[in-house]
Amino acid sequence: AAGVIQSPRHLIKEKRETATLKCYPIPRHDTVYWYQQGPGQDPQFLISFYEKMQSDKGSIPDRFSAQQFSDYHSELNMSSLELGDSALYFCASSPPGREQFFGPGTRLTVL
Amino acid sequence: AQKITQTQPGMFVQEKEAVTLDCTYDTSDQSYGLFWYKQPSSGEMIFLIYQGSYDEQNATEGRYSLNFQKARKSANLVISASQLGDSAMYFCAMREGLTAGGTSYGKLTFGQGTILTVHP
Repeated sequence: AAGVIQSPRHLIKEKRETATLKCYPIPRHDTVYWYQQGPGQDPQFLISFYEKMQSDKGSIPDRFSAQQFSDYHSELNMSSLELGDSALYFCASSPPGREQFFGPGTRLTVL
Repeated sequence: AQKITQTQPGMFVQEKEAVTLDCTYDTSDQSYGLFWYKQPSSGEMIFLIYQGSYDEQNATEGRYSLNFQKARKSANLVISASQLGDSAMYFCAMREGLTAGGTSYGKLTFGQGTILTVHP
């Protein structure tokens, strides 16, 4: 069965650089979520999209933005990267009213 | 206030034995969902089991069952016949009710996690 695809899997950036993370949800899943998991932490909700419209927003810094495109893939754009942005970033998708399926995550390291 | 509380930072169990991982939650919503995810050392988040607030039966999925006690606001995960491959971090999560035309698009709020170690 198809799973959520995230790219890249690993990313190393310098402080103040920009990063773009991509997510390809499972086909026919109408909702996409982004989560950030810092080292030793539980995942924290960043933002979600329902049918390509932003549906909810969590503790997402102003330096981050996200969108969902017409083909339902989503991108998380992160600018002016800081050391504290180093984390595992998950994208998840869900069909209507069902559990969220997580992608493998993108591990971002900011040096 | 913490919405999801997992009070066991770490648990140990002998292979083939059963283990219960605790989870309590706090919500004023009538409609909500409770989830358990497994995160091995490789990092991926694996969905294990789901319980809806209106479900009268406890959820079961293979060796996993959810002991749902609504009045006590607890949703403990029971793993029967533990295997070495069950060693991982386990997260309890809640999705509070946000529905539009029958579609729920609520974010998940996670607990702090419990590290389970299965001994041979």
